[in-house]
Amino acid sequence: DGGITQSPKYLFRKEGQNVTLSCEQNLNHDAMYWYRQDPGQGLRLIYYSQIVNDFQKGDIAEGYSVSREKKESFPLTVTSAQKNPTAFYLCASSPPGASYNSPLHFGNGTRLTVT
Amino acid sequence: GNSVTQMEGPVTLSEEAFLTINCTYTATGYPSLFWYVQYPGEGLQLLLKATKADDKGSNKGFEATYRKETTSFHLEKGSVQVSDSAVYFCALSDAYTNAGKSTFGDGTTLTVKP
Repeated sequence: DGGITQSPKYLFRKEGQNVTLSCEQNLNHDAMYWYRQDPGQGLRLIYYSQIVNDFQKGDIAEGYSVSREKKESFPLTVTSAQKNPTAFYLCASSPPGASYNSPLHFGNGTRLTVT
Repeated sequence: GNSVTQMEGPVTLSEEAFLTINCTYTATGYPSLFWYVQYPGEGLQLLLKATKADDKGSNKGFEATYRKETTSFHLEKGSVQVSDSAVYFCALSDAYTNAGKSTFGDGTTLTVKP
């Protein structure tokens, strides 16, 4: 079955360490996205990429970095500069030529805890 | 800019009760509207969508009608089940942004008791 795989499901890190969250998709989707979800809040866009080797900042990019070297993969690094990194991180994708009518496809998320 | 406002939760209902979760929006142009559902520990999945005024989206007994005059997209279900317990998100995207820059509401947590 096609889908988006995020790993690991749970991640624990010490403050001051960088950590990379994995996102892989086999849907042949061009565009991929990273969202952050905090309790009782909606989703906030961190970064997005519409094509390989290109990506743009979302609304809350500070303290995060991404790469898009392959169509299937869009890893997110949470750096030590991110002041409040503990959150639930969601990766999503949308199909080729996606218009605003197309829904997003989501992975099952990674819960990051930084102490 | 675009915004989505959902009724605050949490919402607790008994099985077979009628459900309404209100959603209103502000957008430039003519957005597409979506309801997503998130089960515990999982990502979001599309529940239903509507792409133009007066369209009705429906799935799994849930319905929502795109009301341009009231800028609303309220989610309804006639008889909820325990398995409907989840967080529900209203979202929009418009012709001026791509799908990934959808605007989400804060989510409404629904608990259905037997």
